Amino acid sequence: EAGVAQSPRYKIIEKRQSVAFWCNPISGHATLYWYQQILGQGPKLLIQFQNNGVVDDSQLPKDRFSAERLKGVDSTLKIQPAKLEDSAVYLCASRLGPGQIMNTEAFFGQGTRLTVV
Amino acid sequence: AQKITQTQPGMFVQEKEAVTLDCTYDTSDQSYGLFWYKQPSSGEMIFLIYQGSYDEQNATEGRYSLNFQKARKSANLVISASQLGDSAMYFCAMRAYNNNDMRFGAGTRLTVKP
Repeated sequence: EAGVAQSPRYKIIEKRQSVAFWCNPISGHATLYWYQQILGQGPKLLIQFQNNGVVDDSQLPKDRFSAERLKGVDSTLKIQPAKLEDSAVYLCASRLGPGQIMNTEAFFGQGTRLTVV
Repeated sequence: AQKITQTQPGMFVQEKEAVTLDCTYDTSDQSYGLFWYKQPSSGEMIFLIYQGSYDEQNATEGRYSLNFQKARKSANLVISASQLGDSAMYFCAMRAYNNNDMRFGAGTRLTVKP
């Protein structure tokens, strides 16, 4: 079974530039999460999708971050314009959604390491 | 919203000994799941063990066990017979079933000494 795919693995941009990350979840997984993990910290939930609808984006800085999950499969996370403090690893995770098996874990991609200079 | 607290930034353990990593949580939900993940220096998040809020037995998976004390809202991870490959960051996470959010603690860095 293929895992969660993310690209690119690494990205370096200058502040005020824009950047986009892509995630392809495990086939059949209805729930998709984007996390921001700053070095030395735990993952911080940015947004949760259920199929193509947003369930929770309360911690997403909406003035600069946006995310979409068209057709309920792939997802993109965009930052525009980037700030120095956005330097982090952006993790995508997926799992079976509510109504499916309740105790399944989330599966994570390898992450995208963003450096803003 | 739920909150996860891991109070040990770093822990050391001698190879072959057991170690307990602490996790406490705060939630008003009655139905939730608790998870532990391992993150080696390579960066991937590896699922270790799960405990449901209604599970009466503590979860076990090989050398990993979860000391679940619901009244105290704690879900400590116990690693028995530590190995050098256990050196990594360990994260406690919780998912409330009513909204499917999955939130993480700050993590504990475990170092296994030979």
